Order: sequence, then structure tokens, then C-alpha cells
Amino acid sequence: NAGVTQTPKFRVLKTGQSMTLLCAQDMNHEYMYWYRQDPGMGLRLIHYSVGEGTTAKGEVPDGYNVSRLKKQNFLLGLESAAPSQTSVYFCASSYYGGKSEAFFGQGTRLTVV
Amino acid sequence: GENVEQHPSTLSVQEGDSAVIKCTYSDSASNYFPWYKQELGKGPQLIIDIRSNVGEKKDQRIAVTLNKTAKHFSLHITETQPEDSAVYFCAASILTGGGNKLTFGTGTQLKVEL
Repeated sequence: NAGVTQTPKFRVLKTGQSMTLLCAQDMNHEYMYWYRQDPGMGLRLIHYSVGEGTTAKGEVPDGYNVSRLKKQNFLLGLESAAPSQTSVYFCASSYYGGKSEAFFGQGTRLTVV
Repeated sequence: GENVEQHPSTLSVQEGDSAVIKCTYSDSASNYFPWYKQELGKGPQLIIDIRSNVGEKKDQRIAVTLNKTAKHFSLHITETQPEDSAVYFCAASILTGGGNKLTFGTGTQLKVEL
């Protein structure tokens, strides 16, 4: 049981380049989330999804797009990367209903130069 | 929106001592308060959580207390061990059909010294 798996683990981008981060979960969770973690700021919610085919904005959505074409996958896209998007990105997933724990992936460290 | 403040930002204790980390939240509608432990190079991992209808919860050496009136909650670790050294995050959310959208505190770096 892999849990939440993020691909890639590390990436360096040049300003203006695009990329997609992939998150896959094998727990049949309805909800999925993308957070970014910056020094001294904790984790902040970028986008989230309450089910296959749905997406919604979180606290810091600008510059990012997401898609959830399959229940087990949640993609985070950067169309034109900026140095301000240098961060560690975490994907998480959780059940629908009473069991609320959010499970996190191991993170993707992105550097935009 | 919700705002979560966490103190202290760093905490150093001797092995065997207790450690306490405190958080306050702003939205009285928040009803779920988890604590996460993050080790270097890894994702956050849930260590304990509490819902707003409970004032205290304990799991072996870890306990969490919640004061809804004052809107603050705390993590207590007793008999600390070197493997407790990590960054700890508190968080708050409103559990609804819209999922578990967490607002995190800024983290506490706990160091347990031998």
C-alpha cells in the first residue's frame, strides 16, 4: 500500500517554463489537495478537489492550475514558472465522511531560476 | 478566513522532559484540530487530532487539549525522546462536505537533547 505518491521528487525550472506535478493515491479517497510549504509560513492550500472531475481554489491559487480526470490522480500545473513559485509542494488526500485524517505525500522540491 | 498562530517557533528540551506547543485559531466555526509531525525531507504525518466536541485526548506520551472559548489548543509530549525531534505543525479546519481544508500554523522545531 503506497499511500500518496508524488512525481517528481525534485525539479529545477527556468523562469517561464511549464511543468506538471503528479499526485497518485491508492486509498480510494474522495478528497485531494495541493499545498505549498515555504520557510516560516507553514503549509498553504493551493487547490483542492472533492471528487473526480471537480476542482476548487484554495488560499494561494494564482499561477497554478489543476485537474482531476481520475479519482486516484490529482495534477498540479505551472504554465509559466516564476521564482516566487520556488517551494516544496505537498499533495494530500482524505476520506469523505467521518474519518478525517489527511495523508500527505513525500513532497516535490521545485526550484525556479 | 481562518488564521492559526503557533508558538514557540523553536523549542529545546532535555530528554525525559515535557514539551508543550500552543496554537490559537480565529474562526469559531473550526471543528477539527490535528497535529502533524514532519521529519526532515518527508511529508507531514498525523500524530493526534481532536474534534471540537472533546476537550482533551491522549495517546500514550502525546496529549492534546482544546479550549473552544479561548480558541486555543495545545500539544503536550511527555517523557521526550531523541526521536521526537522534528517540526510539529498544528492545523484547524471546518469539516464539511467540502473536504478537510487545513489551515496550518507556522511550525515548531522541537529538539530533544541527550
